[in-house]
Amino acid sequence: SYVLTQPPSVSVAPGQTASITCGGNNIGSKAVHWYQQKPGQAPVLVVYADRDRPSGIPDRFSGSNSGNTATLTISRVEAGDEADYYCQVWDSGSDYYVFGIGTRVTVI
Amino acid sequence: QVQLMQSGAAVKKPGSSVKVSCKASGGTFSSYGLHWVRQAPGQGLEWVGGISPVFGIAKYGQVFQGRVTITTDESTGTAYMEVSSLRPEDTAVYYCAREASLPMATVPYQFDAWGQGTLVTVSS
Repeated sequence: SYVLTQPPSVSVAPGQTASITCGGNNIGSKAVHWYQQKPGQAPVLVVYADRDRPSGIPDRFSGSNSGNTATLTISRVEAGDEADYYCQVWDSGSDYYVFGIGTRVTVI
Repeated sequence: QVQLMQSGAAVKKPGSSVKVSCKASGGTFSSYGLHWVRQAPGQGLEWVGGISPVFGIAKYGQVFQGRVTITTDESTGTAYMEVSSLRPEDTAVYYCAREASLPMATVPYQFDAWGQGTLVTVSS
């Protein structure tokens, strides 16, 4: 089955940039979606189809996808961005929806 | 703006079944997909299964095949997930999530709305 690899944690200072990677075999050929989950809350879609943002999501959130790595970038990080972030794709080989293990972003 | 409202928490014995509901308000999911995602305590998100408008039928994650049934009632705008032969390791928060879609879509889309989650505890 298709596997997505994310770093368990990323630390970033306020105002700086956080980059969260999501690795997968030829992931550049798939549409990657990113979800933010704060403690005790349901996930929220922050980026879809590699780089598009739903309405209401600040433009500080951006995405890219090429080769074997997709990246979610959070610019000008704020304390409120502290959360777990999950990447997700649909694997055509199995017809499964696959999530990465999640990356905890800590604002230090 | 659609909102997904799930049924309340449940405590079940091992070997029993649980049925969780998810009702759409402010919209429907008749032309969208509806999926269920599980999150065990302190763990990540895991796709349980769902119905995508791309496929038109329910599909299930490998771990859940044979134990989970997902259905929808378009007349009431409600989706259901039933899990049978419950085990303690099924203890988790179960979320329903709507899959966005466009006409004539040929590939699945992102999950653009989520329910609040339902805690299912399996314990003797």
